Amino acid sequence: AQRVTQPEKLLSVFKGAPVELKCNYSYSGSPELFWYVQYSRQRLQLLLRHISRESIKGFTADLNKGETSFHLKKPFAQEEDSAMYYCALKGSSGDKLTFGTGTRLAVRP
Amino acid sequence: DVKVTQSSRYLVKRTGEKVFLECVQDMDHENMFWYRQDPGLGLRLIYFSYDVKMKEKGDIPEGYSVSREKKERFSLILESASTNQTSMYLCASSFRQREGTQYFGPGTRLTVL
Repeated sequence: AQRVTQPEKLLSVFKGAPVELKCNYSYSGSPELFWYVQYSRQRLQLLLRHISRESIKGFTADLNKGETSFHLKKPFAQEEDSAMYYCALKGSSGDKLTFGTGTRLAVRP
Repeated sequence: DVKVTQSSRYLVKRTGEKVFLECVQDMDHENMFWYRQDPGLGLRLIYFSYDVKMKEKGDIPEGYSVSREKKERFSLILESASTNQTSMYLCASSFRQREGTQYFGPGTRLTVL
C-alpha cells in the first residue's frame, strides 16, 4: 500500500530563515509526487509536481528515490508562506492520490 | 480559470438527518472526488467518480453515498448524519489522465449536533 508521512505537524521559523518541510513516502513502484498548499481562508491548491522540476514562489522539491523523500525547500521564508502544506503521492494507473497529514508552516516576523 | 464550487460554506444538521453536499465544476473534468479534511488526519478520500453514473469507494466510504447524474456535478449524501461526521468536506476534480493535479472547491464545514 502507498503511504505518505509528514513527520512535523507544525514548523515555525523566522522570516528570512531557510525552510524544509519533510515528506517521506512508501511505494514499491515509480510514484508521482506533489505538494499542495492551503493558505488561510483559501482553497487547497497545487503548489508543485516533481515531474515538472519547477520552482514555484521560491519553493523547490527534489524526489530522492534512494531515501524515498520529497522534501519541500525554500532558502528564505516569507510571512506570506505561512500555510498548511500537504505532500501527496500518485502511484501507477488505478492508484488514487494519497495525501500526508500535513504540516503547518508558521513564519514569524 | 478552473472553478469548483460547493453548495454551502457552512452547514449545521441534527443527528439522523439526511444531508446533501453538492459540487459543480466547469472545466469538463472527467474525474471528481470527495474528501474529508480533519486536523492531524489530513485528507481522506470518501468516494470518487471517473464518469457519469460511475462511482468508486475511497478509503472511508462508510456512512456516505454519492451521485453523479451529470458530468459537472457530484453529490455527497449522508444518509443519516452522525456526530462523527462533523468535518470539513472538500470536493475536487481533475482530467482523467492527470489525476494527481486536482482542483479543489472551497469546502463545506459540516457540524452535526
